[in-house]
Amino acid sequence: AQSVTQLDSQVPVFEEAPVELRCNYSSSVSVYLFWYVQYPNQGLQLLLKYLSGSTLVKGINGFEAEFNKSQTSFHLRKPSVHISDTAEYFCAVSNQAGTALIFGKGTTLSVSS
Amino acid sequence: DTEVTQTPKHLVMGMTNKKSLKCEQHMGHRAMYWYKQKAKKPPELMFVYSYEKLSINESVPSRFSPECPNSSLLNLHLHALQPEDSALYLCASSQPPGLAHQETQYFGPGTRLLVL
Repeated sequence: AQSVTQLDSQVPVFEEAPVELRCNYSSSVSVYLFWYVQYPNQGLQLLLKYLSGSTLVKGINGFEAEFNKSQTSFHLRKPSVHISDTAEYFCAVSNQAGTALIFGKGTTLSVSS
Repeated sequence: DTEVTQTPKHLVMGMTNKKSLKCEQHMGHRAMYWYKQKAKKPPELMFVYSYEKLSINESVPSRFSPECPNSSLLNLHLHALQPEDSALYLCASSQPPGLAHQETQYFGPGTRLLVL
């Protein structure tokens, strides 16, 4: 069965610093991976996704992620964060049938000045 | 346009009330989803509709009753809820699962429900 582990529940950083949010997955079949962001009191917005092809995926708002099959990871990175990046970030993997998303527990990114 | 809309944004109801949540998308998607999200937790899948037919029910109590009147609309009917049902209810849509690869799910802003 597929599963996702987000290794950090909270990540505090200063504005303009780089950040990495870690995600490891477990899957016995082809993997489709997603990162979503949830701003306070809002729904989920897709940041980026990996379905196949290039292992470096670029998303919105300057975020990127790298799919690493040998380490079963899909870490999210941004070279310079802004206050407005403060939000909850969820890594997700599709289930084997492709009928649902399995979410990690989320990482709270807090950016301060 | 990748917009999924949900109404109402907020809802307060008593345990004896009957209310409905509505979700609409105009992206031509044929799969729609209801998720429940408690504070500081990830979304939990409740129901999946594919081609207007219920394909997944994640053992949700019968006080939640989904309905998909057409390919653009998804409702969630609520009756005799409990205070622990208070949560953010998210709707999502995508192309149907089971195609060549996982289709991306697009989420609405959610309805924040408080059961008193």
